[in-house]
Amino acid sequence: DSGVTQTPKHLITATGQRVTLRCSPRSGDLSVYWYQQSLDQGLQFLIQYYNGEERAKGNILERFSAQQFPDLHSELNLSSLELGDSALYFCASSEEDRAGELFFGEGSRLTVL
Amino acid sequence: QKEVEQDPGPLSVPEGAIVSLNCTYSNSAFQYFMWYRQYSRKGPELLMYTYSSGNKEDGRFTAQVDKSSKYISLFIRDSQPSDSATYLCAAPDRGSTLGRLYFGRGTQLTVWP
Repeated sequence: DSGVTQTPKHLITATGQRVTLRCSPRSGDLSVYWYQQSLDQGLQFLIQYYNGEERAKGNILERFSAQQFPDLHSELNLSSLELGDSALYFCASSEEDRAGELFFGEGSRLTVL
Repeated sequence: QKEVEQDPGPLSVPEGAIVSLNCTYSNSAFQYFMWYRQYSRKGPELLMYTYSSGNKEDGRFTAQVDKSSKYISLFIRDSQPSDSATYLCAAPDRGSTLGRLYFGRGTQLTVWP
C-alpha cells in the first residue's frame, strides 16, 4: 500500500459529460501529481501541485483542470469528455526534495462510451 | 521523438532466467534515472533509483546507466514468477519541478514456473 488513495476506482460515463477524480496523498507529502496512462501513449504527466499551488503543467488538455485543497487532497476535473479520454488516471505524491521518487495510487479507470 | 524510449515487449522467460530490460533517452541533461514496476491493476512503484553512470545493485536487481550512449538497463537475476509485471524506466525533468517524470512505454515481463 503506497498510502495514496484514489477514488473512484472505476468510472463509466458518456461523451460530453464531466467527471471528478479525487486523490489523497501520503501523510506529510505536499506534492501531488496527476498522470494519464493509455495503451498508445503510456504514462503521461498532466499536472503537479505543491502545497495548494500549481507547480508544473504537462500534456493537460484545456478541458481538464485540477486543484489542491488546504487539506492537501487534490481533484482532477475532466469535462466535455471524448472517447479518447478513456484511460487510467493516476495520482502520485512525493516529498518535495526527493527527485523522481513518486508514490502512486491505484488509479481511476475512466471509460467514456 | 519521445524523451524516453522503451521496447514494450512482451518478454516471456522461464523461472531462474536472467532478464535484461532496456531503455534509451534523448535528453543529455537527464541526471537521475528510475525503474518503476507496475503489477496488473496497480499503480507503479519505485524499484530502483540511480544517479549518473555505472551500476547499482539491490538484491537480484541491477540498474545500469551508460550516459555516453544514453542507455539505461535493468537486469533481474534468478527471475521469479512474482517478478511478472510491467517495468517502466523514467527520468525526471530538470526544470522547475523534479517530479515531472518522463516514462518509457513499459516492458511487460512474464516469468513462467
